[in-house]
Amino acid sequence: DVKVTQSSRYLVKRTGEKVFLECVQDMDHENMFWYRQDPGLGLRLIYFSYDVKMKEKGDIPEGYSVSREKKERFSLILESASTNQTSMYLCASSLARATEAFFGQGTRLTVV
Amino acid sequence: AQTVTQSQPEMSVQEAETVTLSCTYDTSESDYYLFWYKQPPSRQMILVIRQEAYKQQNATENRFSVNFQKAAKSFSLKISDSQLGDAAMYFCAYRPIYNTDKLIFGTGTRLQVFP
Repeated sequence: DVKVTQSSRYLVKRTGEKVFLECVQDMDHENMFWYRQDPGLGLRLIYFSYDVKMKEKGDIPEGYSVSREKKERFSLILESASTNQTSMYLCASSLARATEAFFGQGTRLTVV
Repeated sequence: AQTVTQSQPEMSVQEAETVTLSCTYDTSESDYYLFWYKQPPSRQMILVIRQEAYKQQNATENRFSVNFQKAAKSFSLKISDSQLGDAAMYFCAYRPIYNTDKLIFGTGTRLQVFP
């Protein structure tokens, strides 16, 4: 079975902190995604990576950056966390040109 | 830019009945994929069904089927014989076949199932 693992299920951070959300997949997938999920807004794409060190901005990249130094790991970085970044963050992966993406269980981040 | 719209924030259905969730999308591409994902309270997103735009036949997976209307850019999900375990958030999603593997989601529909 494909496994996408997010490092934390729940996280509480203070305003201004640098926050790292980690995602690891074990199926040698080329593509990895970070989404933010908010009630009434659905899943919004933050960043997409289609290969090691390659990335594309999604719809809401402001305030976020990403790192993909190894194929299996895709990190989302909040350089200076703010309260409006309190949300559910979902990581996903897929093979290139595949028709199915596999998701992690999400990280619920609260910024206080 | 491609967009996916789900106009029903919430729906409810009686157990064993049938319910239809709506989805429309906007794209200038001619070839693409459409998906329905389910997110139960456990938060684990699960693929329910997929449809290739070049296929005229509507996809079916057991109790789940779609009504794909390419000209109208409509992609609804029908759940037959609803079960309590079908209660979840349902997301419609779009992905072009060429140029990018980006997966774009709608805002979701929360489905409640009553005994």
